[in-house]
Amino acid sequence: RKEVEQDPGPFNVPEGATVAFNCTYSNSASQSFFWYRQDCRKEPKLLMSVYSSGNEDGRFTAQLNRASQYISLLIRDSKLSDSATYLCVLEAPGNNRKLIWGLGTSLAVNP
Amino acid sequence: EPEVTQTPSHQVTQMGQEVILRCVPISNHLYFYWYRQILGQKVEFLVSFYNNEISEKSEIFDDQFSVERPDGSNFTLKIRSTKLEDSAMYFCASGGRASNTGELFFGEGSRLTVL
Repeated sequence: RKEVEQDPGPFNVPEGATVAFNCTYSNSASQSFFWYRQDCRKEPKLLMSVYSSGNEDGRFTAQLNRASQYISLLIRDSKLSDSATYLCVLEAPGNNRKLIWGLGTSLAVNP
Repeated sequence: EPEVTQTPSHQVTQMGQEVILRCVPISNHLYFYWYRQILGQKVEFLVSFYNNEISEKSEIFDDQFSVERPDGSNFTLKIRSTKLEDSAMYFCASGGRASNTGELFFGEGSRLTVL
């Protein structure tokens, strides 16, 4: 099993749609999880941290399921500007400040 | 809004040449990182740096790589003798808070092309 696994997509959705991405991870000792977004040939930007209790930031909701070792990202009311690659990221166990990245899920929101 | 800046944005070099990539992290940040991304592949950790020393490095970060923070503001990545497989986008990142290790701010990247 890969350290961090994501469906690469692409997901093609119309504006206003709700879309969900999942990500699975292999190391149960991982403690911290994040979603980053990356526009084509640009740097990754932090979208949100993922907390055990789940968290919401506007149209974005992140959930963590430790038992099944997956995290999810839900985007409601998709905008054209949401088109990007969404990267599932976790901090490697051991307090070494090393982030482990998924390959990303590509989202295209169409008018 | 404070940002991480990187230079050069693109460098083309011949195999075997030395390359220095420069970064200016956000001024009050304490943790500095280099990551790289080969085209079409995932982002890969190279090295983390804190309190003027390397705190962690990956298998990729072999003896050909080194980092420095020479003057309290710049943070550099040196590749001593570049190989074709070093061609990638190199991202510098910084983070401010010990409790939020994954909340990093990335520079726009330096694209390295080794011929």
